[in-house]
Amino acid sequence: AQSVTQLGSHVSVSEGALVLLRCNYSSSVPPYLFWYVQYPNQGLQLLLKYTSAATLVKGINGFEAEFKKSETSFHLTKPSAHMSDAAEYFCAVSTMDTGRRALTFGSGTRLQVQP
Amino acid sequence: DTAVSQTPKYLVTQMGNDKSIKCEQNLGHDTMYWYKQDSKKFLKIMFSYNNKELIINETVPNRFSPKSPDKAHLNLHINSLELGDSAVYFCASSPVGSYEQYFGPGTRLTVT
Repeated sequence: AQSVTQLGSHVSVSEGALVLLRCNYSSSVPPYLFWYVQYPNQGLQLLLKYTSAATLVKGINGFEAEFKKSETSFHLTKPSAHMSDAAEYFCAVSTMDTGRRALTFGSGTRLQVQP
Repeated sequence: DTAVSQTPKYLVTQMGNDKSIKCEQNLGHDTMYWYKQDSKKFLKIMFSYNNKELIINETVPNRFSPKSPDKAHLNLHINSLELGDSAVYFCASSPVGSYEQYFGPGTRLTVT
């Protein structure tokens, strides 16, 4: 079985500050990991993905995440927050062991950006 | 050039009614999914179809029935709607051999 834990349901940063959203996963087989962003009343947009290639993954809108197997983590970062980054962020995991390809999501982290 | 589309975007109905939500993807993907997002924003897989074949059927009441007429469409029919069915329902699709998924805009279902 696989699972995802997102630490911090709410994160508030100042505009221009570093954004760090934490994600830890549990999986008995090598995982595929994803970050999605959800703006109010919209669907989920794929930010970035880890699929066993490079451990440092760059995504859209200046976000990146680093896969650390020893820490079972896949934290999302952005060097400088922008007001438009305010949204809900979801970490998700999938594995190929069952061939299901369904995503298991974390509970989400709401990012607030203060002016 | 919408990739994954859902209709309707909003659906308000009374308890006991039957309703359907439609999903279409024009990405040429082979697998489609339905997810439910509850009031606390938690997302959970409901169903998955691969090339019109049901792959995943999570612990969902049998009042919910997915139907896939072809690879590009996956509809969700709900019978005898209950208050607890109120949620946002997302359709998603993924390419052949890939694990990333692309989501539709969601359908907000409100049961009164």
